[in-house]
Amino acid sequence: AQKVTQAQTEISVVEKEDVTLDCVYETRDTTYYLFWYKQPPSGELVFLIRRNSFDEQNEISGRYSWNFQKSTSSFNFTITASQVVDSAVYFCALSEAKDNFNKFYFGSGTKLNVKP
Amino acid sequence: DAGVTQSPTHLIKTRGQHVTLRCSPISGHKSVSWYQQVLGQGPQFIFQYYEKEERGRGNFPDRFSARQFPNYSSELNVNALLLGDSALYLCASSSAPGTKNTEAFFGQGTRLTVV
Repeated sequence: AQKVTQAQTEISVVEKEDVTLDCVYETRDTTYYLFWYKQPPSGELVFLIRRNSFDEQNEISGRYSWNFQKSTSSFNFTITASQVVDSAVYFCALSEAKDNFNKFYFGSGTKLNVKP
Repeated sequence: DAGVTQSPTHLIKTRGQHVTLRCSPISGHKSVSWYQQVLGQGPQFIFQYYEKEERGRGNFPDRFSARQFPNYSSELNVNALLLGDSALYLCASSSAPGTKNTEAFFGQGTRLTVV
């Protein structure tokens, strides 16, 4: 069965600090996709990144970076020099690689509070 | 272009009532999925529709049903509401039914409160 665990329920940092959000997943599939979404108070899930299980290269996008390690089934997300606007709930998600079906398994989320 | 739109944004219902939630996908997208997000938890998959056919169903009781219309918009219906149905209901739209080469875009959700 598919499962995503985000052990950090809530994290508080001061602006400009770096912060890492942890994500551990379980799946028996050899091909799958991993995602990170940001959920601001408005409720909408904002797409941040999608990673194919065959691509273990780390990715950097501005202040955001992602570390995918298949050996430990982890897909961690780091925000460098955090800003108040980064305050939100962040979800890690897993989906199977299917042609005719699209289902996300979400973790329970990590609430990030960035204080000025 | 408009993103995924959901209506209403907020709703208060009484136990035992019925509710209908609506979703319009991004223009050109033919797949719509519904998720339930209870406070403090991650979203849980309810249904996926593609080209008006049900492609997947999550572990929800038969009180939950959905359908997709010829214009690809969708309705989620919940009968005999329970207090535990209080949640944010999210709709996701994608251009294809699968996950291999497509992204899912979420709406802002409908916040349902059952009293």
